[in-house]
Parts: sequence; structure tokens; C-alpha cells
Amino acid sequence: EAGVVQSPRYKIIEKKQPVAFWCNPISGHNTLYWYLQNLGQGPELLIRYENEEAVDDSQLPKDRFSAERLKGVDSTLKIQPAELGDSAVYLCASSLTGPNEQFFGPGTRLTVL
Amino acid sequence: DAKTTQPPSMDCAEGRAANLPCNHSTISGNEYVYWYRQIHSQGPQYIIHGLKNNETNEMASLIITEDRKSSTLILPHATLRDTAVYYCIVRGQSYNTDKLIFGTGTRLQVFP
Repeated sequence: EAGVVQSPRYKIIEKKQPVAFWCNPISGHNTLYWYLQNLGQGPELLIRYENEEAVDDSQLPKDRFSAERLKGVDSTLKIQPAELGDSAVYLCASSLTGPNEQFFGPGTRLTVL
Repeated sequence: DAKTTQPPSMDCAEGRAANLPCNHSTISGNEYVYWYRQIHSQGPQYIIHGLKNNETNEMASLIITEDRKSSTLILPHATLRDTAVYYCIVRGQSYNTDKLIFGTGTRLQVFP
């Protein structure tokens, strides 16, 4: 069975440009998470979806970040415009509803120049 | 903020047991202890979790002290592939507390 799929794996952009990341969770997983991981730090939750509803987006910087999960399956995280400080790894994870094991994708490494 | 404290790094010889400690002195009665690890350039991977009893699976054993203020993850026969950052996480079980709050973890280096 395929795990959590993320694309692209790497992205290099110039500051002020937009960027988007895509995530396809494990089939049947209703809960989807986006995390941000800075170098040398643990992942930090940005947003959590239950099906198509964002149930926790308190850590999402809403001035430049947005996310959607329109059909309750795959999801897109967008940054517009990107800033130098956004350089990081963006991780997607999914799980069955409830306090279950979260399965992580390989992440997208973003470099903003 | 993370509710756990871990040493920043540890070394272990291949084939020996790796014992990774974690302090979680403010843990609540209904919070579980979870362990994840992250191998370089990969996403975190679940290892094991427990409430108050010791737990064992095919990857590791988890020993939780009786007062639940600390725990130890044991990799019984470490291999080079166990080199990773190990995260100890205290996790609630209710809808609003069901979060993985990662700290900086312990970087385990297994050497030949």
C-alpha cells in the first residue's frame, strides 16, 4: 500500500514568488496534517483537517499561507508571497480519525532565495 | 511548547542496546507517551506508545516509571539503520489535546 505522497520533493524559488505543495494521504485516512520543520528542530503543526474541514489552523500564518482539502482527500498548501524565512521542510501526515498513529510523507524541502 | 526533555545526542555501538531517556514530569493522567523517530531526509516514523504499563513491539520497548514522570525507549540491538533523531512526545487523547508536539529530540548515532 502506498504511503503518504508529497510533491514536489524539492523546490527553489525567489522571495516574493508563490509556491504550492501537494499531498495525497493514505487511502481511507480522514485526518490530514501539514507540518513545518526548520533545520535542527522538530516538526510544528500548521493545520489539521478532518475530512474537508480545517479543525485546527491556529498555527497557520494566514497572511501568506493558505491550505485546502476540497474533496476531503488530497490537499494543497500554498505560500504567497514567499519570504526568506519560509525556507524549511514542509511535511504532510495522515491518520485515521482520533489519536491514532500519524503516517508522514517524505516532505518538500523549500529554499527561498 | 514540548512537554518533554531529552538529551540532545547519544552514541551507541552496533549490536548493543540503545537506551534513550525522556523526562515528562508534568504529564497528566490521561496523556500517553509516544515515540517517533526521523531518519535523515525522511518524515517521522511512529515507534511505540504507552500510558503506564511497559510496552514492547517489533521495533522497541518502552519503559515508563511508576510515577510516569519519565520513560526510556530501548532499542535492544541497535543497527546502523537506527541512526536517527528520536522524539519523545506527550499526547492527549481528547479531540482538542490530540496533538503531536515535537521537541528537538535526541540524535542517536550508532557506530560500527
